[in-house]
Amino acid sequence: NAGVTQTPKFRILKIGQSMTLQCTQDMNHNYMYWYRQDPGMGLKLIYYSVGAGITDKGEVPNGYNVSRSTTEDFPLRLELAAPSQTSVYFCASSYRQGSGANEKLFFGSGTQLSVL
Amino acid sequence: QKEVEQDPGPLSVPEGAIVSLNCTYSNSAFQYFMWYRQYSRKGPELLMYTYSSGNKEDGRFTAQVDKSSKYISLFIRDSQPSDSATYLCAMGSGGGADGLTFGKGTHLIIQP
Repeated sequence: NAGVTQTPKFRILKIGQSMTLQCTQDMNHNYMYWYRQDPGMGLKLIYYSVGAGITDKGEVPNGYNVSRSTTEDFPLRLELAAPSQTSVYFCASSYRQGSGANEKLFFGSGTQLSVL
Repeated sequence: QKEVEQDPGPLSVPEGAIVSLNCTYSNSAFQYFMWYRQYSRKGPELLMYTYSSGNKEDGRFTAQVDKSSKYISLFIRDSQPSDSATYLCAMGSGGGADGLTFGKGTHLIIQP
């Protein structure tokens, strides 16, 4: 059982380039999330998904896009990379049923991205 | 006023000491309280999960929630060098789909 798998682990981009951060989970979780973590700033939610075909913006969505075509995969797309997007990106998943909360997030190991 | 306040540290203590980590919050809607542990260059992992006020114990770890004061704590007894990590508190209201609100994390160092 691999849990949440993120690729790549490290990446350097030039300003204006684009890339996709991959995330896949094998726990059959319905909820998936993308966070970014900047030094001393905690985790900020970029986008989230409550199920296949449904996505919504989080706190800091500008400059990013997501899609959720399957339960397992939740890729994050960076268009026109900017230095402000230098950060560590974490994908997470959880299982929630109905209106109750079961907000126990399972995180991937992260992608360290530098935009130069 | 930020929703969740957490002292970033670093907090350095000798091996065997009792460690106290704390967070305060302002949103009365928070009902679920968690502590995540994050080792360097790794993703956060869930350490403790509590609902409502009171204490919850798991081995050397005790999570405490005081909703009236909007204050949560994590105690680590008999601290070990392997406990050196960043500890993030996290909170949720249960009503929204957009995940949790995290503190900035406290960097803990246990000196052998």
